[in-house]
Amino acid sequence: GQNIDQPTEMTATEGAIVQINCTYQTSGFNGLFWYQQHAGEAPTFLSYNVLDGLEEKGRFSSFLSRSKGYSYLLLKELQMKDSASYLCAVSRSNDYKLSFGAGTTVTVRA
Amino acid sequence: DTGVSQDPRHKITKRGQNVTFRCDPISEHNRLYWYRQTLGQGPEFLTYFQNEAQLEKSRLLSDRFSAERPKGSFSTLEIQRTEQGDSAMYLCASSLSGVNTEAFFGQGTRLTVV
Repeated sequence: GQNIDQPTEMTATEGAIVQINCTYQTSGFNGLFWYQQHAGEAPTFLSYNVLDGLEEKGRFSSFLSRSKGYSYLLLKELQMKDSASYLCAVSRSNDYKLSFGAGTTVTVRA
Repeated sequence: DTGVSQDPRHKITKRGQNVTFRCDPISEHNRLYWYRQTLGQGPEFLTYFQNEAQLEKSRLLSDRFSAERPKGSFSTLEIQRTEQGDSAMYLCASSLSGVNTEAFFGQGTRLTVV
């Protein structure tokens, strides 16, 4: 089975940095995905990690430690439009679906 | 291609009625997924198609739920004898074949059973 944990809510100030942690316990782990979902909209892909280390994409970076079952999404230079839910999802070997955490709601304040 | 599209966007139905939702994936994507999402939760996997073959169904998908993808293109999800607990957002996603390929989601169909 899957056990994916991430904080429920986080609040940060415009221009600041926020780190969203995700821990998982998954047999046959293959990769970890991060999605952004604005209220009432579809989830949109942000990043994925297969190997240990940091993947950087502009203001967003994602880190993975396979041995620790841990990932984080780092959002830099926060903007008001970054207020959204951030979903951590894992995929397993030979299993093409994604299993999602409950999501972390990030609120950016001026 | 404008991405994954779902129809209708909203559906209100009376308990006991049947409903059917449609999903049109990105045209070159051979994988199609259905997920269900309730408020404050992440999407929960329901079922998955590789072309026209339904390869996996979640235990969440009771006998009242059925999904098809007859020609390996669009898909339908039908819920028979709807219950109030079926109220949720039903999301469709599609992707290319391969490991760790990105899934693209549609806007979803919000179902309210009254």
